[in-house]
Amino acid sequence: LAKTTQPISMDSYEGQEVNITCSHNNIATNDYITWYQQFPSQGPRFIIQGYKTKVTNEVASLFIPADRKSSTLSLPRVSLSDTAVYYCLADTGGFKTIFGAGTRLFVKA
Amino acid sequence: GAVVSQHPSRVICKSGTSVKIECRSLDFQATTMFWYRQFPKQSLMLMATSNEGSKATYEQGVEKDKFLINHASLTLSTLTVTSAHPEDSSFYICSAIDSATNEKLFFGSGTQLSVL
Repeated sequence: LAKTTQPISMDSYEGQEVNITCSHNNIATNDYITWYQQFPSQGPRFIIQGYKTKVTNEVASLFIPADRKSSTLSLPRVSLSDTAVYYCLADTGGFKTIFGAGTRLFVKA
Repeated sequence: GAVVSQHPSRVICKSGTSVKIECRSLDFQATTMFWYRQFPKQSLMLMATSNEGSKATYEQGVEKDKFLINHASLTLSTLTVTSAHPEDSSFYICSAIDSATNEKLFFGSGTQLSVL
């Protein structure tokens, strides 16, 4: 079973900030939290990874509270091209990764 | 960044034939690679873990004689769908872990298999 739970879908409008929350209540001490983006008929693409607190890169921010039982992916000012499925994973590198259902984000004009 | 090349991107074959899909890590070594299949509007389902120089580990319900995996080098894993049937039609995706960092997965672009 996947170790994470996310909303099935979300809608947004262009220019808005989108926050997708992921629950990982049983996260292990050695687990990292990683988010991937997938477009139709393409492989997933790495977005961001973190262990605790806040991580920011050129495309997103990742917020992880102290208990690490959840995390929030923040996409600033989304555009139509951000319409995709977003997967949250909590696991240790080098071991098999089980994907949850992901969150389908629809960005409207 | 690290690149995983997957070929072919699309293949159409007749029922009963075998199809080989290649997954290469282009700029890093990967002792471990993973193979997934994905049906339309569903999530990725892990099929097997491919280990360089040893036998693959298959997930429950995945037939190892149907989906042959070979990981003969640190940069190449292949998945062969043997005697393909229409129900094997799916999107197949590979991923690899950089052995040096062991931190995150890099995915191939996927292979759409259509069995007629």
